[in-house]
Amino acid sequence: DIVLTQAPLSVSVTPGESASISCRSSKSLLSSKGITSLYWYLQKPGKSPQLLIYRMSNLASGVPDRFSGSGSETDFTLKISKVETEDVGVYYCAQFLEYPYTFGAGTKLELK
Amino acid sequence: EVQLVESGGGLVQPGRSLKLSCAASGFTFSDYNMAWVRQAPTKGLEWVASISYGGSNTHYGDSVKGRFTISRDNAKSTLYLQMDSLRSEDTATYYCARLYSSYIGYYFDYWGQGVMVTVSS
Repeated sequence: DIVLTQAPLSVSVTPGESASISCRSSKSLLSSKGITSLYWYLQKPGKSPQLLIYRMSNLASGVPDRFSGSGSETDFTLKISKVETEDVGVYYCAQFLEYPYTFGAGTKLELK
Repeated sequence: EVQLVESGGGLVQPGRSLKLSCAASGFTFSDYNMAWVRQAPTKGLEWVASISYGGSNTHYGDSVKGRFTISRDNAKSTLYLQMDSLRSEDTATYYCARLYSSYIGYYFDYWGQGVMVTVSS
């Protein structure tokens, strides 16, 4: 199984400042079609997960451009610039390259 | 607007069965692969099972293989999860998710609100 390791597991950010979350994969997520199959989701408190970033660096519809994704074949970063109160929640990276689909353990973002 | 509404959760004793449903609307259900994802209390996300748009292909996580069965009724735009031989470790919120599929990959693009399943005596 592909293991996704997120760091840190918790981050506390002052509103207006930036935050970065790392996700490392145990296997390259670059598909045979040249697509990197790494995704980012945000689960706000009491809500279901919502898609933020697809295929490593593409912003999902309706997601503010304060969010950005980058990376290589195995190391990925989600960056949130100018954190706002609505960004609080747990961030998960996920891979859909192969079964079983797997998620990182999650990174909880809180405000200072 | 895409909507996925789960139902059928509740309290069930270990070893018993339960069947979850997910009613879909706002899109052509028969065009999409679908999946179930669960989240144990205070834990992370775990993919459970997926089914192809026509229902002929299914995949299961190792923790539920042989005990859970995913199915669908395209005429009713409804996804199901039959859960047999339930264990305490199956206690979780179960989410129905639409699996966006294209020639370049797959991912969950919409999620339901989730339904709670508690396995306890």
